Amino acid sequence: QKEVEQDPGPLSVPEGAIVSLNCTYSNSAFQYFMWYRQYSRKGPELLMYTYSSGNKEDGRFTAQVDKSSKYISLFIRDSQPSDSATYLCATSNTGNQFYFGTGTSLTVIP
Amino acid sequence: SQTIHQWPATLVQPVGSPLSLECTVEGTSNPNLYWYRQAAGRGLQLLFYSVGIGQISSEVPQNLSASRPQDRQFILSSKKLLLSDSGFYLCAWSRGTLYEQYFGPGTRLTVT
Repeated sequence: QKEVEQDPGPLSVPEGAIVSLNCTYSNSAFQYFMWYRQYSRKGPELLMYTYSSGNKEDGRFTAQVDKSSKYISLFIRDSQPSDSATYLCATSNTGNQFYFGTGTSLTVIP
Repeated sequence: SQTIHQWPATLVQPVGSPLSLECTVEGTSNPNLYWYRQAAGRGLQLLFYSVGIGQISSEVPQNLSASRPQDRQFILSSKKLLLSDSGFYLCAWSRGTLYEQYFGPGTRLTVT
């Protein structure tokens, strides 16, 4: 079983829609959860980082962790064409090793 | 602020040729350093990570090797490239006390 599973999509939404991106993880010891945005032919960019359970909000982005179900989510409100990218979830329990999902490709249509 | 550099940005090499990719980090000391490979449409595959000078952990057996000659320098090498070595190579750094990882711009390698 992979440490992190992520639906690859692709996901296509109209501009202004609310986007929900999701991952599941296997190891209950994971405590730290991250979301990255990767534009085509670029390195991943850290979007948000959360510790343990709960929500974290940053502008139009909200990261949510449900440790009871081992489920992590990223919500994007009022989606924009500039949000079109691949989104990667990641987790870690030691700060030395990180486990990534395969990424979800998102297209926001103007 | 911290910055991570990788070069070259793109590289086309024939099968059997050697490889050297370099990564440097500025603005921090004693970082953890990582090399990943990302194949088209696939996730990140961890190749090597290092928690200090001369300390390299290999995650995947292959014809690649890594070295860390200085605190903030990480090098990925191969003596003889294979077609299957083509991909997008990413260097990343983190601080062991903070659970965030930051990536460089990547090197796109095509082996012909």
